[in-house]
Amino acid sequence: AQSVTQLGSHVSVSEGALVLLRCNYSSSVPPYLFWYVQYPNQGLQLLLKYTTGATLVKGINGFEAEFKKSETSFHLTKPSAHMSDAAEYFCAVTDTGTASKLTFGTGTRLQVTL
Amino acid sequence: DTGVSQNPRHKITKRGQNVTFRCDPISEHNRLYWYRQTLGQGPEFLTYFQNEAQLEKSRLLSDRFSAERPKGSFSTLEIQRTEQGDSAMYLCASSLDGRWGLGGFGQGTRLTVV
Repeated sequence: AQSVTQLGSHVSVSEGALVLLRCNYSSSVPPYLFWYVQYPNQGLQLLLKYTTGATLVKGINGFEAEFKKSETSFHLTKPSAHMSDAAEYFCAVTDTGTASKLTFGTGTRLQVTL
Repeated sequence: DTGVSQNPRHKITKRGQNVTFRCDPISEHNRLYWYRQTLGQGPEFLTYFQNEAQLEKSRLLSDRFSAERPKGSFSTLEIQRTEQGDSAMYLCASSLDGRWGLGGFGQGTRLTVV
């Protein structure tokens, strides 16, 4: 069974600073990995995904993530934070069975300060 | 493509009452998923459909919960004899053949049981 661990339930950065949100996964098969963002009282929006191929994936809003198999990690980064990035971020992994259901981490709330 | 639509957005009900939520997936998406999200947690898988067939149910889905997708299009999630512990955000998602890059989440139905 797959699982995801997000280190740090809250992260605070200054506007313009580097954003780093950590995600480690556990999977018995090659994983498909995702990052979603959730704004208050909204659904989930896909930021980026890794399936196969290039291990550095770029997403929307200037975010990117790197799949590191040796570290079982898929950390999310953005070079320069913007106030509009304040939200909850979820890392997720799918199983590769028929269901392809997503298993989510507990989330990291990103706060951006002036 | 109008995205995944969920109704109602908010529902307040008294303990012991029955409630029903509706999800309209992205058109032509054959897979539909229900998730539950409680405060401070990531979404947890409840059940999924491939077309009209319900193929998997989580242990979280007690006997009081039932989901249907009668014609392989919209889906309903019913909770009978609601309990305070059922208070949560219920999210619906759809995808084409489990490909989440082509999928989407609805904005959710927030249930409050008083």
